Amino acid sequence: GQNIDQPTEMTATEGAIVQINCTYQTSGFNGLFWYQQHAGEAPTFLSYNVLDGLEEKGRFSSFLSRSKGYSYLLLKELQMKDSASYLCAVRGGSYIPTFGRGTSLIVHP
Amino acid sequence: KAGVTQTPRYLIKTRGQQVTLSCSPISGHRSVSWYQQTPGQGLQFLFEYFSETQRNKGNFPGRFSGRQFSNSRSEMNVSTLELGDSALYLCASSSGQAKETQYFGPGTRLLVL
Repeated sequence: GQNIDQPTEMTATEGAIVQINCTYQTSGFNGLFWYQQHAGEAPTFLSYNVLDGLEEKGRFSSFLSRSKGYSYLLLKELQMKDSASYLCAVRGGSYIPTFGRGTSLIVHP
Repeated sequence: KAGVTQTPRYLIKTRGQQVTLSCSPISGHRSVSWYQQTPGQGLQFLFEYFSETQRNKGNFPGRFSGRQFSNSRSEMNVSTLELGDSALYLCASSSGQAKETQYFGPGTRLLVL
């Protein structure tokens, strides 16, 4: 079966750096995605990793270790607008994506 | 380029009724996936259609069905509605290639009374 684990909630201060972890156990692996979802809105794509290593995109970076079944999303220079839920999703061998429950990030001044 | 559109945005039904939701993907995208999102279960995959064929299916009962038309627009149908079907139903489109990400629509919020 598929299992995705990520923390339920995290808090951080504006301007700081926060790392959201995601561990997974899947049958096969065809990529890991991170999405951002603001309350009442649809998820929006942040990053995609299929090979080990770090992918950097502006203030957001995502890391993947396939051997450890582990990924993290790094958010730098936090802004209030970064308060949202962050979803980790893994596409398994069947190409069906499995989503984690999401990590609710609260950024305070 | 216009984004993914879903209609209706909000819907109230009663138990036992059926409902049809519609999704228009981004122009040129041939893959449409449907998801159910609830506070308790998170985002769960329902099914994916690619070029009018169901390519993948999640673990939902047969009451949940879908189809895709030649213009890539997709519909999802839920029959014999249950209270537990109250959720946000999200549609996502992509080109269908393995490395491509999905782009989500705004969703249809369904309330079953």
